[in-house]
Amino acid sequence: DAMVIQNPRYQVTQFGKPVTLSCSQTLNHNVMYWYQQKSSQAPKLLFHYYDKDFNNEADTPDNFQSRRPNTSFCFLDIRSPGLGDAAMYLCATSRGISGGASETQYFGPGTRLLVL
Amino acid sequence: GENVEQHPSTLSVQEGDSAVIKCTYSDSASNYFPWYKQELGKRPQLIIDIRSNVGEKKDQRIAVTLNKTAKHFSLHITETQPEDSAVYFCAASKGSGYSTLTFGKGTMLLVSP
Repeated sequence: DAMVIQNPRYQVTQFGKPVTLSCSQTLNHNVMYWYQQKSSQAPKLLFHYYDKDFNNEADTPDNFQSRRPNTSFCFLDIRSPGLGDAAMYLCATSRGISGGASETQYFGPGTRLLVL
Repeated sequence: GENVEQHPSTLSVQEGDSAVIKCTYSDSASNYFPWYKQELGKRPQLIIDIRSNVGEKKDQRIAVTLNKTAKHFSLHITETQPEDSAVYFCAASKGSGYSTLTFGKGTMLLVSP
């Protein structure tokens, strides 16, 4: 089945130790998104890519970076995780049709990050 | 930018009752309004969506209505069941090839047997 896959599902890291979260998709969608979701809050958009065009939300901390080496994969790098970065990180994709209506976003299962 | 307000933040109903969640948006250019259901520890899942050229859409027990003039849209769940218990998020976006979603803060729905 076509889907959005995130690995690992759970990630434990130490304060200040770099960590990378990964997302892959078999939907062949043009757009990929990274969200941060903390407990009892809505998902907060960090980055999105239309193909390889990168878009950074204005309030995304400098501590977060992203890479999309090809259509299928996208990575979220947290350079120096702090306790406040503990959250669920959700990857999503959408088709992205030029000139078309807004597109449905499909979410991966998420990676829960714990910072010790 | 877009701002989406969602009410109520929590909603408790008895099994079999109806539940209504309301959202308002600020940007009149928004034209796509999805609703996501998120169970504890799981991903948000799209349950229904509506585009601005439609006033109402139904899918079995779930319906969404849109009032473009007033800039609000609502989720209606009839004959609620305990498995409907979850957090529901509304969102809004505008088409431009691709678009980002602005989410409401969510409504925790609890359906008691």
